[in-house]
Amino acid sequence: EAQVTQNPRYLITVTGKKLTVTCSQNMNHEYMSWYRQDPGLGLRQIYYSMNVEVTDKGDVPEGYKVSRKEKRNFPLILESPSPNQTSLYFCASSYRGPSYNEQFFGPGTRLTVL
Amino acid sequence: DAKTTQPPSMDCAEGRAANLPCNHSTISGNEYVYWYRQIHSQGPQYIIHGLKNNETNEMASLIITEDRKSSTLILPHATLRDTAVYYCIEDYGGATNKLIFGTGTLLAVQP
Repeated sequence: EAQVTQNPRYLITVTGKKLTVTCSQNMNHEYMSWYRQDPGLGLRQIYYSMNVEVTDKGDVPEGYKVSRKEKRNFPLILESPSPNQTSLYFCASSYRGPSYNEQFFGPGTRLTVL
Repeated sequence: DAKTTQPPSMDCAEGRAANLPCNHSTISGNEYVYWYRQIHSQGPQYIIHGLKNNETNEMASLIITEDRKSSTLILPHATLRDTAVYYCIEDYGGATNKLIFGTGTLLAVQP
């Protein structure tokens, strides 16, 4: 089944404790992206990747890192999480960029930083 | 910021057609209109997209006005499982490599 998977689905952590949220897709998509969703602010893009070893900042990249060493994986790294990073996170992928292509979204990761 | 305008909420009776409007008066000639939906806190799901012709797939129909300043997403026979937030998005395309989600329309399908 074609899908985007994220792990963990739920995470409660404390300020400053490094964490990684994994994202994997099995559709051989070139484009992958991370969004966060907050009440009243909608979905905002954090980082995106057009292909392996090619990443770029979205609208809200501060406090996040990403890497794209393999085509299927696009982990989101929070080196020193803070409470304002408490949010619902979604990973997405598409064949090329989001133009003219359906984006497939993962199920989401709900992160709470205390 | 999103350039599309949608009503914040709508109701629809189960089994009836749901017609969700969207205004995109600033859309340019080569920008597509995309529709996604998000069922409570799940990942957004692609529905349909179009440029200037009407489009139909197994989920919905998309009617785009001739001047392309507005469109309507039609769910022909709404079910309770269609209750979701529906997002109408102008495709900003290669310049930004992202889709800008607005606040969408919360469609509540009533039994």
